[in-house]
Amino acid sequence: QLQLQESGPGLVKPSETLSLTCTVSGGSISITNYYWGWIRQPPGKGLKWIGSIYYSGDTYYNPSIKSRVTISVDTSKNQFSLKLSSVTAADTAVYYCARHIGLNIVVLPAALGWFDPWGQGTLVTVSS
Amino acid sequence: DIQMTQSPSTLSASVGDRVTITCRASQSISSRLAWYQQKPGKAPNLLIYKASSLESGVPSRFSGSGSGTEFTLTISSLQPDDFATYYCQQYNTYPMYTFGQGTKLEIK
Repeated sequence: QLQLQESGPGLVKPSETLSLTCTVSGGSISITNYYWGWIRQPPGKGLKWIGSIYYSGDTYYNPSIKSRVTISVDTSKNQFSLKLSSVTAADTAVYYCARHIGLNIVVLPAALGWFDPWGQGTLVTVSS
Repeated sequence: DIQMTQSPSTLSASVGDRVTITCRASQSISSRLAWYQQKPGKAPNLLIYKASSLESGVPSRFSGSGSGTEFTLTISSLQPDDFATYYCQQYNTYPMYTFGQGTKLEIK
């Protein structure tokens, strides 16, 4: 059974870079037709897609946050990572990683679908 | 950007009730819609994809319908385990994936 687990610091200072890693177990991250995504949820609020990456390194980002986000993949460790720079209190959220279903990945941009399964999430607080 | 609007934001119901949650898209998204259930402190869990396809392992009391701009999630007979927050998500516009604001289903 595929499982995802987020890890990283729970507290980040304003203006610094948030770094999280998602470890995939029970299956390979290098499988065709699946991307790997990050989604966040501020306390008491809704869900926001941050970006998704293919095992080849192809990435897509939410335009609203694209200038501060970098998602990378390490197939040797079956992991993918999120870096968010210049954080503020508004970046305080539970961050989830999830498998992002590929519907048609031969087109550009790739057509992706729903998220399943999800990691349990990790709360990152931005505070001095 | 496509906006997804769910209604109601909060819904009070009793065990055994039939409930319907609506999700409206600001423009047509064909049938490219998924539904998730989220319980407090937990990650969202996929219920429905392609607007009406039931994810494996999800009870048959859950069903989805709709296409274009209006979609519904129906629970035919509420069970105690169903009280949670429900989100819709569109995947029609690539690469931009957006969620509704959520509908909290409470016990009456």
